[in-house]
Amino acid sequence: EAEVAQSPRYKITEKSQAVAFWCDPISGHATLYWYRQILGQGPELLVQFQDESVVDDSQLPKDRFSAERLKGVDSTLKIQPAELGDSAMYLCASSLARAGRNEQFFGPGTRLTVL
Amino acid sequence: AQTVTQSQPEMSVQEAETVTLSCTYDTSESDYYLFWYKQPPSRQMILVIRQEAYKQQNATENRFSVNFQKAAKSFSLKISDSQLGDAAMYFCAYRRSDSWGKLQFGAGTQVVVTP
Repeated sequence: EAEVAQSPRYKITEKSQAVAFWCDPISGHATLYWYRQILGQGPELLVQFQDESVVDDSQLPKDRFSAERLKGVDSTLKIQPAELGDSAMYLCASSLARAGRNEQFFGPGTRLTVL
Repeated sequence: AQTVTQSQPEMSVQEAETVTLSCTYDTSESDYYLFWYKQPPSRQMILVIRQEAYKQQNATENRFSVNFQKAAKSFSLKISDSQLGDAAMYFCAYRRSDSWGKLQFGAGTQVVVTP
């Protein structure tokens, strides 16, 4: 069964360092989402792509976070510089189309710890 | 703005018994989707059940069913014949039908299943 792949699964970094997360969505899925899940809370959308275009990045802290999906397939989320408050689970999800009944399939996430 | 509230941080249930998780949401929209997602420990989030707001009939998926009360803006999940594998964090989520697919999640309810 096709799954959303993410790497690394765990990342420990020091404050002010740069980190990057990678996501490979299910083949054929045009829509890709990055969510941040702080411990004890539900996921919150950071950025959404439709193919290679950003359609929603209203909650993305653009001074330090960036995201790209250059060929409309896999995606990278970067944080530079990392801050203590960035410690969280970063989830990637994909769906066949942008809305309607389409189910979002989630990856296993990357657990980031900033020291 | 829409908000999703899950007022039960944790629910405990014995195997084979039934447990009900509550969820309320706030919206001024008439057309939207509601979801319950399951997040097992160290595993990816998966969709349990979904409900279209325009449908009056409550959705069911095997042992999982919902009680959708549109006027009260309530969307509870009932797990029947609970199994050990049902132990997980459960998130209620909302999505506008005309949005780009952004899910808004509640804070989650931890379900503990005891033998």
